Amino acid sequence: DQQVKQNSPSLSVQEGRISILNCDYTNSMFDYFLWYKKYPAEGPTFLISISSIKDKNEDGRFTVFLNKSAKHLSLHIVPSQPGDSAVYFCAASAINFGNEKLTFGTGTRLTIIP
Amino acid sequence: EAQVTQNPRYLITVTGKKLTVTCSQNMNHEYMSWYRQDPGLGLRQIYYSMNVEVTDKGDVPEGYKVSRKEKRNFPLILESPSPNQTSLYFCASSFGQSNEKLFFGSGTQLSVL
Repeated sequence: DQQVKQNSPSLSVQEGRISILNCDYTNSMFDYFLWYKKYPAEGPTFLISISSIKDKNEDGRFTVFLNKSAKHLSLHIVPSQPGDSAVYFCAASAINFGNEKLTFGTGTRLTIIP
Repeated sequence: EAQVTQNPRYLITVTGKKLTVTCSQNMNHEYMSWYRQDPGLGLRQIYYSMNVEVTDKGDVPEGYKVSRKEKRNFPLILESPSPNQTSLYFCASSFGQSNEKLFFGSGTQLSVL
């Protein structure tokens, strides 16, 4: 049972344009969401997070949007740069329900075309 | 430099031959965890540890063992590896609860023949 889903295995975007990566979840107890970025031959690195009390969190070129009613979050990268080419994982946990475990999605491979 | 160190980076072994993948962190993190990454399945948690001598099963613990005798080390043990354990393994750590951002090691690519 995949509780966190990233339905697009891959995405290609022109350099300078906006990249939008999507993530859906099924567990209504999830209240904290994170995005990780992974380059080949490296471990994932934390990118940005959002709590369920917010619907948007911004950090430079990266913005995460959360739509709780739709159980959907998205990561926007503007403008996209070649160094953004990587696999992106979304993850969720249920902090306020005492569940510390992070559940990860299957990942989306983003390719930025120069 | 703050880091999570896994060894080895690559390992090829045969079915049934016991192996250990080591993991060490220098950030004094309480929480440590092991994940495996498989195509189409993303990152799945194998075991985690909230502190020394405290370990618990994740989503896919079968065929694995862990121990947490010291705060910095969290080895992953495969007593009798099988081909379905061929995977990319990551160790991770964080302060306190796992909802804090995790710091990952560089990964161990394991092939079981």
